[in-house]
Amino acid sequence: QSALTQPASVSGSPGQSITISCTGTSSDIGGYNYVSWYQQHPGKAPKLMIQDVSNRPSGVSNRFSGSKSGNTASLTISGLQAEDEADYYCSSYTSTSTWVFGGGTKLTVL
Amino acid sequence: QVQLVQSGAEVEKPGASVKVSCKASGYTFTSYYMHWVRQAPGQGLEWMGIIYPGGGGTSYPQKFQGRITMTRDTSTSTVYMELNSLRSEDTAVYYCARDTNNWSFDNWGQGTLVTVSS
Repeated sequence: QSALTQPASVSGSPGQSITISCTGTSSDIGGYNYVSWYQQHPGKAPKLMIQDVSNRPSGVSNRFSGSKSGNTASLTISGLQAEDEADYYCSSYTSTSTWVFGGGTKLTVL
Repeated sequence: QVQLVQSGAEVEKPGASVKVSCKASGYTFTSYYMHWVRQAPGQGLEWMGIIYPGGGGTSYPQKFQGRITMTRDTSTSTVYMELNSLRSEDTAVYYCARDTNNWSFDNWGQGTLVTVSS
């Protein structure tokens, strides 16, 4: 199972919105609504930000939202804040009953 | 609150084995699947497999089959991940991560650094 495709980096200024894409295939993202997104600060464990394509776990800011169209999922962060600067990973359940992650996107808040 | 506490850092020689533990608390251990995910230095996340503590069933991706074993001890609410025939490419931080019961990972251990070096 190949990794999902994410841009290596994105950037934005405080207050702006950014979107991170995550492209897979019909065997993972396109076939299931089990797409999740994780935020990881340096030296820390990942944190679940979005599950089931678009659902925010309790405690996650409503500035984070998720969506999916076909084989591509997206994470949007609105009202960028300095603390949003981190690495972001998408993940999907797959048709072989395995899980696959994206390569990760480094978000820089300018 | 849910807590996953992993064992400490390990240094192993090529060809050796390593066993990492993950002790769970704050929830019903046998009711949630547990995954193992690793991250090589400066690299992304890689899924290594899943175990159901309730019955002990496991599933591993083809890449690790034959080299990985996940087990659990319900008396201590602990899951274990053993990786054999270690090579330098296995140097990574290894995480346990609880499944939400809807195929995402909602709670993570603090990570265990495994270094493979001669």
